[in-house]
Amino acid sequence: DGGITQSPKYLFRKEGQNVTLSCEQNLNHDAMYWYRQDPGQGLRLIYYSQIVNDFQKGDIAEGYSVSREKKESFPLTVTSAQKNPTAFYLCASSIPIESNYGYTFGSGTRLTVV
Amino acid sequence: GDSVTQMEGPVTLSEEAFLTINCTYTATGYPSLFWYVQYPGEGLQLLLKATKADDKGSNKGFEATYRKETTSFHLEKGSVQVSDSAVYFCALFIAKLTFGTGTQLKVEL
Repeated sequence: DGGITQSPKYLFRKEGQNVTLSCEQNLNHDAMYWYRQDPGQGLRLIYYSQIVNDFQKGDIAEGYSVSREKKESFPLTVTSAQKNPTAFYLCASSIPIESNYGYTFGSGTRLTVV
Repeated sequence: GDSVTQMEGPVTLSEEAFLTINCTYTATGYPSLFWYVQYPGEGLQLLLKATKADDKGSNKGFEATYRKETTSFHLEKGSVQVSDSAVYFCALFIAKLTFGTGTQLKVEL
């Protein structure tokens, strides 16, 4: 079955460490997205990528970095510059031109700073 | 900019009660509208969608009608079940997907 796989499901980070969250899709979608979810704040867009080797900052990109070397993969690195990284992170993908298609989401990674 | 406003939760209902979750939007163009559902510890799943005015999206007993005159896309279900307990997100799409803050629904026996 096609879908999006995020790993790990739970991740713990020490202060000052960088961590990378994995997102892989086999839907052949061109566009991929990273969202951060905090209680009571809905979803906020971190980064998105419309095609391979290209990506754009979303609304809250500071302290995060991404790469898009393959169509199937869009890893997110949470750097030590991100002051409050504890959150639930969701990856999504879509066919960008078809606006009424909607996005397909992964099952998320919960990151906790210890 | 484009935005979505949802009623705050939590909304607590008894099983078989009628559900309405309000959603209104502000957009510079003519967006497509969506409802997503999130079960505990999971990602979001597309529940239903509507792409133009007066369209009605429906799925699993849930319905929402795209009302351009009131810029609304309220979610309704005639008889909720305990298994409907989740967080519901309204969203609009113009170039990108913009979400509301989510409404938690709790259904009790």
